[in-house]
Amino acid sequence: DAGVIQSPRHEVTEMGQEVTLRCKPISGHNSLFWYRQTMMRGLELLIYFNNNVPIDDSGMPEDRFSAKMPNASFSTLKIQPSEPRDSAVYFCASRHTEAFFGQGTRLTVV
Amino acid sequence: KQEVTQIPAALSVPEGENLVLNCSFTDSAIYNLQWFRQDPGKGLTSLLLIQSSQREQTSGRLNASLDKSSGRSTLYIAASQPGDSATYLCAVQAGYSTLTFGKGTMLLVSP
Repeated sequence: DAGVIQSPRHEVTEMGQEVTLRCKPISGHNSLFWYRQTMMRGLELLIYFNNNVPIDDSGMPEDRFSAKMPNASFSTLKIQPSEPRDSAVYFCASRHTEAFFGQGTRLTVV
Repeated sequence: KQEVTQIPAALSVPEGENLVLNCSFTDSAIYNLQWFRQDPGKGLTSLLLIQSSQREQTSGRLNASLDKSSGRSTLYIAASQPGDSATYLCAVQAGYSTLTFGKGTMLLVSP
């Protein structure tokens, strides 16, 4: 397996634009997580899916953020409209027993 | 709410030293504990997973121990090398739930 695959690796966008981050989990993993990492706050959980169902979205900052998992092999995290304070590295991880992380998407909102 | 603390926040050692990184957690009812490594600008790489029923796990020069009752885990690195320089994160899972992370220990091993 190629591991958890995220796209794009880098995204630079203007404030107010919509941003969509994508994740392909490892096949057979039943849990998927979206995390955000900044120097100030470290790793923060945004949302957690189990068997494609959102279980815990308490970390989603506000209504501008939304996440979907339409099937076991794909998830998206959308920010609309984006703001400069959303600039961070966004990680997707999947887990059966052990969690594995993707390489992340570095988002810069100018 | 589970809280995970890692001490020290940063550590600098000369090559060849054995070292210990510490992780503590407030709720001992965990399912497992996982140690990760993160290189600058990269994702997290899983190093070791310890199930709640286990006391330790070993992989090469790495040994992780778990004491659930006291809420502690240690990551022991033997004969450290410059290539071990990275940030080390510990994360705990309680039941069918999310991973709660510590803020990490930034390790620098100098030649």
